[in-house]
Amino acid sequence: AQSVTQLDSHVSVSEGTPVLLRCNYSSSYSPSLFWYVQHPNKGLQLLLKYTSAATLVKGINGFEAEFKKSETSFHLTKPSAHMSDAAEYFCVANAGKSTFGDGTTLTVKP
Amino acid sequence: DTEVTQTPKHLVMGMTNKKSLKCEQHMGHRAMYWYKQKAKKPPELMFVYSYEKLSINESVPSRFSPECPNSSLLNLHLHALQPEDSALYLCASSQIGNSYNEQFFGPGTRLTVL
Repeated sequence: AQSVTQLDSHVSVSEGTPVLLRCNYSSSYSPSLFWYVQHPNKGLQLLLKYTSAATLVKGINGFEAEFKKSETSFHLTKPSAHMSDAAEYFCVANAGKSTFGDGTTLTVKP
Repeated sequence: DTEVTQTPKHLVMGMTNKKSLKCEQHMGHRAMYWYKQKAKKPPELMFVYSYEKLSINESVPSRFSPECPNSSLLNLHLHALQPEDSALYLCASSQIGNSYNEQFFGPGTRLTVL
């Protein structure tokens, strides 16, 4: 069995401040892990993926995520939020089949 | 070309209509997917095609009928839909081989059933 829990349904930050979106996973196998972003009425865009190489993964638009096996976590961070980061973020685990978290809505205040 | 295209962008149909959604990719991916996404929810997997054959049907009602005419195209035929079928329908594709391969998503078709 496999599950993904995004610990915050909504996160609100001010522009220029750090972003932290939290994701925990549970899997019988070692899954690959992904973060996707979805802007309103758009498809999903891959931000980054963990493929068992480096535990700190760098993605597009300044986003990073750190894989911590002991904590079964894959949290997404960005040092400085931009207004254009406001969107829905999905954490996804794949060990043969993709399992999506429920999503986190990121709001960025000016 | 790393793009998945979907047509139409928007579709409004009555409950007695027959319509089709189309998805196309030219990345050489041999796995293609249909997802349904309701507002403020994650995508829900509907169908998976591997090497042009249906490999997963997530107990989707028969009013949704997928078709994969070739390795680049994926269709979703719609007939006698219900208002609760209104949603964003997303197509995705990926390589086949291991779970490290990410899925590439299209922009979706916004379907409204009246």
